[in-house]
Parts: sequence; structure tokens; C-alpha cells
Amino acid sequence: DTGVSQNPRHKITKRGQNVTFRCDPISEHNRLYWYRQTLGQGPEFLTYFQNEAQLEKSRLLSDRFSAERPKGSFSTLEIQRTEQGDSAMYLCASSPSTDGGEQYFGPGTRLTVT
Amino acid sequence: GQSLEQPSEVTAVEGAIVQINCTYQTSGFYGLSWYQQHDGGAPTFLSYNALDGLEETGRFSSFLSRSDSYGYLLLQELQMKDSASYFCAVNPDSNYQLIWGAGTKLIIKP
Repeated sequence: DTGVSQNPRHKITKRGQNVTFRCDPISEHNRLYWYRQTLGQGPEFLTYFQNEAQLEKSRLLSDRFSAERPKGSFSTLEIQRTEQGDSAMYLCASSPSTDGGEQYFGPGTRLTVT
Repeated sequence: GQSLEQPSEVTAVEGAIVQINCTYQTSGFYGLSWYQQHDGGAPTFLSYNALDGLEETGRFSSFLSRSDSYGYLLLQELQMKDSASYFCAVNPDSNYQLIWGAGTKLIIKP
């Protein structure tokens, strides 16, 4: 069990640039979640996949955010035209379909928009 | 709206017992989870309660009362390594997206 991995671990970008993050879940997990966390707050739900299908997307997520999970394996999260308010830790988690209450998190990607 | 309330900070002494409470108001309820997060780290799953009662896992126990929309995490025999933030989170529906509290920072003194 190699756990959930995320790349890159850190990303510094200038406002207006596009960024893409990758998440590799635990291989046998078919549920995959993206969260965003800022300092002193709990993670905030962004979107959720069951296999390759994106089943739910937070209303807080603007059209600049898009996520994919081709073939139900790894997932990517893209932010277009980044803004300073996008600076946060982006967390990916996976869980087996039998119990979504237990989610396994990756180390996160810390995004800084200058 | 959906909300979870937990104390922002709790202080305890090494070797003691501490309880972190969580009350919730959500549109639906499938279960209450607890996660630990050290500074700079990712959340780590601790426990999940779908039914009323107490679940025990080593030094950590978690309790749920669905009728009171209330749960708590109990940490026994506190160790310095338990210093971290503890989050309660609710599954409001079968998609198991988690709604998170703001976290409780646990400070342990020798």
C-alpha cells in the first residue's frame, strides 16, 4: 500500500497563470475527493469522483476550476487564470466504496499565487 | 446551512485524559468522522461513528448521539506526539463528501 500521492508538493505561480495538480489514489479505491484547506480552517469540499464519473461539485467552485479522472485512476485538478485567493493547500483523498466515512489523504499540494 | 461546532483550543497535561466535543447541524447524516492533523501534514483518519454509542481504538475513543446531534473524541494517556489539530467531519449524504468543523488545536504540556 503506497498510499495517496500528490504532485507537485509545492507550486508558486503568478496571478493569471494556469496550474494543474495530480493525485494518484490508493489503487483499489474507486472514490476520489478533492478538498481545499486554508490556514486555521478545516478542509473544504471541492469535488468527488466515483470511478471516472464526477458525481458532485461544490457550488463554491468557480468555472475556473475543473477536475478529471480519466479511466478511474489518477485525477487532475486544473485552476485557470489563478487569483491570489486561490492560494491554499489542495488535498486529495480516496476511499473504498464500502465505507466513505474513512478517507485517506495525500500530502497535499501547497499553491501560492503571487 | 450546514455547520459543525468544536472548541478552537484545548490544553491538557501529558498522561491525562481529554475530551473534544463536536455538535453538528446538517441537512442529512450518515456518520461522524474524526481526523488528526499535525502542523504541515495531511489529515489522518482516526474513527468513524455511524450508530449511537462508543467506539474504542487503542487510546482513542469516539462517541455519537444522533438524537443530540453530538459526538466527542476521547484521548487517554496523552503523549506529546498527540499535540495536533483534531477535526470532526460529517457525511451528510451517500456520496460521503465530508463537511468539516474548523478544528480543535490540542496543546499538551509536560
